[in-house]
Amino acid sequence: EVQLVESGGGLVQPGGSLRLSCAASGFTFSSYSMNWVRQAPGKGLEWVSYISSSSSTIYYADSVKGRFTISRDNAKNSLYLQMNSLRDEDTAVYYCARMARIAARPGVMDVWGQGTTVTVSS
Amino acid sequence: EIVMTQSPATLSVSPGERATLSCRASQSVSSNLAWYQQKPGQAPRLLIYGASTRATGIPARFSGSGSGTEFTLTISSLQSEDFAVYYCQQYNNWPPATFGGGTKVEIK
Repeated sequence: EVQLVESGGGLVQPGGSLRLSCAASGFTFSSYSMNWVRQAPGKGLEWVSYISSSSSTIYYADSVKGRFTISRDNAKNSLYLQMNSLRDEDTAVYYCARMARIAARPGVMDVWGQGTTVTVSS
Repeated sequence: EIVMTQSPATLSVSPGERATLSCRASQSVSSNLAWYQQKPGQAPRLLIYGASTRATGIPARFSGSGSGTEFTLTISSLQSEDFAVYYCQQYNNWPPATFGGGTKVEIK
């Protein structure tokens, strides 16, 4: 079964740091690009970051650029998101999502994890 | 950045009826448009990509249409499991991938 399982969420003070992990199974992780997408409480979806299969290409949303770092370890089938200088507005459920290889262009996400909750509050 | 606008925000439909959801892009995204379904407490699920191609395992009652700036998701006969929030997402100008604000389909 294709599966993504996030972990590492929790309560952190403004200005603090947190590292999220996403464990992949059931598919060849090293062959797929990956994304992080977040959802603030009661709000819609916001794409956060992308990393290519070999880590050669990385993108960030403007809202997190300079504060968040995406990385992966293909030997461990794992994706990570290092979040620094956290703000109240970073409070959200964070999902890891696999980039589909079915569309004519990149950007479609076909497998999602169940999410991990990050709460930034003093 | 392309802005995606969905309407209506909430759609009240009776089981067995047809639901029509709209999504508009602030500029042309060609056919590079996806639809996702999200139920409470769950992750989004890919329904449609390429504006009209159903993802693996998606029932035929879900159909997508449109190109350019105007798109529609139609659920031909609503089942109980279809009551959820639906998001459109453009990937023509990526990154960033941008999502609409969502349409909640609720039981009438």
